[in-house]
Amino acid sequence: AQTVTQSQPEMSVQEAETVTLSCTYDTSESDYYLFWYKQPPSRQMILVIRQEAYKQQNATENRFSVNFQKAAKSFSLKISDSQLGDAAMYFCAYQTSGTYKYIFGTGTRLKVLA
Amino acid sequence: KAGVTQTPRYLIKTRGQQVTLSCSPISGHRSVSWYQQTPGQGLQFLFEYFSETQRNKGNFPGRFSGRQFSNSRSEMNVSTLELGDSALYLCASSVTLGLGSDEQYFGPGTRLTVT
Repeated sequence: AQTVTQSQPEMSVQEAETVTLSCTYDTSESDYYLFWYKQPPSRQMILVIRQEAYKQQNATENRFSVNFQKAAKSFSLKISDSQLGDAAMYFCAYQTSGTYKYIFGTGTRLKVLA
Repeated sequence: KAGVTQTPRYLIKTRGQQVTLSCSPISGHRSVSWYQQTPGQGLQFLFEYFSETQRNKGNFPGRFSGRQFSNSRSEMNVSTLELGDSALYLCASSVTLGLGSDEQYFGPGTRLTVT
């Protein structure tokens, strides 16, 4: 069975600095997708970034980028120029292609310090 | 376009009762997934429906069930409630274009408290 592990329950970063959130996963599949979702306090969860396993190039969305290491089964999220609005719970998620079943990690709470 | 809506937003029930939660997906979305979110376990997948059929199911007891209607709206039912069922229940919808992956759009959730 697939698993997703986020080993950092909480992280803090100074405004305008860079922070990296860690995620590791375990799967025997070769075709899958990885996601980072953001859940602000009392607000709805939204997709931050998505990575297809067959793509070697790391995904980037503005200030958000990932470091995808397929062999190591690692999928970290880097947030550059952190802003107060980045404060939220961040969830790493895995999906085997074609299954439409997502497996989420336990989340990392990010605090942004002014 | 309206987002995913869930009703009710808050619910308090007593052990042994049953509860039904409702989810209306984004217009045009045919897939609806349900998750249970608790502080210690994170998000756990309950089930996913597409065109009124359950396609995927998580590892939850049979007390948890769901269904999807022809208009893609979905309901989730929990029977014989236990204290451990207290959680935020999230619904997510996606278009499902058959391309292997779709972004899931989440609703605000229903906060269920079992006393």
